[in-house]
Amino acid sequence: AQSVTQPDIHITVSEGASLELRCNYSYGATPYLFWYVQSPGQGLQLLLKYFSGDTLVQGIKGFEAEFKRSQSSFNLRKPSVHWSDAAEYFCAVLAMEYGNKLVFGAGTILRVKS
Amino acid sequence: EPEVTQTPSHQVTQMGQEVILRCVPISNHLYFYWYRQILGQKVEFLVSFYNNEISEKSEIFDDQFSVERPDGSNFTLKIRSTKLEDSAMYFCASSELASGTDTQYFGPGTRLTVL
Repeated sequence: AQSVTQPDIHITVSEGASLELRCNYSYGATPYLFWYVQSPGQGLQLLLKYFSGDTLVQGIKGFEAEFKRSQSSFNLRKPSVHWSDAAEYFCAVLAMEYGNKLVFGAGTILRVKS
Repeated sequence: EPEVTQTPSHQVTQMGQEVILRCVPISNHLYFYWYRQILGQKVEFLVSFYNNEISEKSEIFDDQFSVERPDGSNFTLKIRSTKLEDSAMYFCASSELASGTDTQYFGPGTRLTVL
């Protein structure tokens, strides 16, 4: 069955520091992977996605993610965090054979300290 | 930029009452979804809908739930007899194509509180 694990429930980083949010997936076929961000009271906004090709994908707001098949990982990174990045981040895998449903991880809450 | 909209933003209802949550997907999108997020838990898939019929539904989506596209713009989720455990944030999403490579765009959600 498809699943996504985000091992860190909370992460706190200082403004200007680098960030890496971890995501591991379990999926039988070639995965289509996504990172979404949810600010308080807001919906889910797509940061970036991986379908195929280059394993390093660039997204909005200066985020990038690297797909590593050997590690079943799709970690999200940002070289310098801004206070406005404080939000909850969700990794997801697409289960195409099940009506294109997205299977989400539990989320990681990012706090940014000044 | 076009976006998915949802109404109401917050709905409070009594247990056993029927509720209808409304969504307006992006206009040229063909594939529609409902997800929910119980407070403190994962975002969970409920149902996908394409070509006026359900494509896939989860085990959560029992006989108490139904979806409908009553006209060319709205997509609704009905809960016939609400339970306390239906309290959650409900997200609507849409994608342009039925292809798995297409992005799902999410609305801001409706917070349903069942008392």
